[in-house]
Amino acid sequence: QLQLQESGPGLVKPSETLSLTCTVSGDDSISSSDLYWGWIRQPPGKGLEWIGSIHYSGSIYYNASLKSRVTISVDTSKNQFSLKLSSVTAADTTLYYCARHAYRSPESGFDNWGQGILVAVSS
Amino acid sequence: QSVLTQPASVSAAPGQKVTISCSGSSSNIGRNYVSWYLQVPGTPPKLLTYDNNKRPSGIPDRFSGSKSGTSATLGITGLQTGDEADYYCGTWDSSLSAVVFGGGTKLTVL
Repeated sequence: QLQLQESGPGLVKPSETLSLTCTVSGDDSISSSDLYWGWIRQPPGKGLEWIGSIHYSGSIYYNASLKSRVTISVDTSKNQFSLKLSSVTAADTTLYYCARHAYRSPESGFDNWGQGILVAVSS
Repeated sequence: QSVLTQPASVSAAPGQKVTISCSGSSSNIGRNYVSWYLQVPGTPPKLLTYDNNKRPSGIPDRFSGSKSGTSATLGITGLQTGDEADYYCGTWDSSLSAVVFGGGTKLTVL
C-alpha cells in the first residue's frame, strides 16, 4: 500500500525559506512509477491551491502565482521529493499536502495524498 | 478566486440524490479531464472520480462524474450522513499549464 508522508519544520520565520520533504513508501517508487508527484496547500477552512508537480525525469510545472518563490526537486535514491518556498509571509501559513498523480501526466488527478503538515509563519 | 466555480453549499435528505456542479472554461474543463475529490474536515482529500467519469477501486457507484462542454457534475445517489463533507473539482488548465481546483462545495445531509 502506497504511503506519502510530509515532514519538515512546523514553524518558519517571516522572510525565511520553508522546506518540506515528502517520503514515498510502500508499493511504489518515484522513478519506477513514471508518474508525476505534486504539492498542494490548503489554508485552514479554505480551498485547495496547487503549488507544483514534478516527474523524476526533471519535468516540473509550477503555479505561476508562486513560481518566483518555489522550487520542487526529487531525490530518487531516497524516494523523496521536496518543496522549498522562499521569502515566506503569514499568507504562507497553511496545511501542505504532497500527492501522487494518477498517471504519467500532470493533467491527471491526484490519487494518493499524504496526511498533510501544518506550517506556521511567525517570528 | 478559484478558476473553477462550484456552489458553496448543497443539501439533501438521506436516501436522496444530489448533484454538484463545476463550471470552467474552454482552456480547462473544455479540453481536459475532470477529477472530483471528497474531503472530510481534518483529513486529506480523497479521489472520487477521474478522467471525467471513472472511479478508483473502492469508490462505490453511488458516486458518478460527468462532463459537458465547459462544465462538470458530480452526482451522489442514496445519500448517507457519512457523505457530509467538502467536495472539490479539479482539472488541468492548458492556458495556465497548471492544475486548478474549484472553491469547494459543502454537502449537508439533512
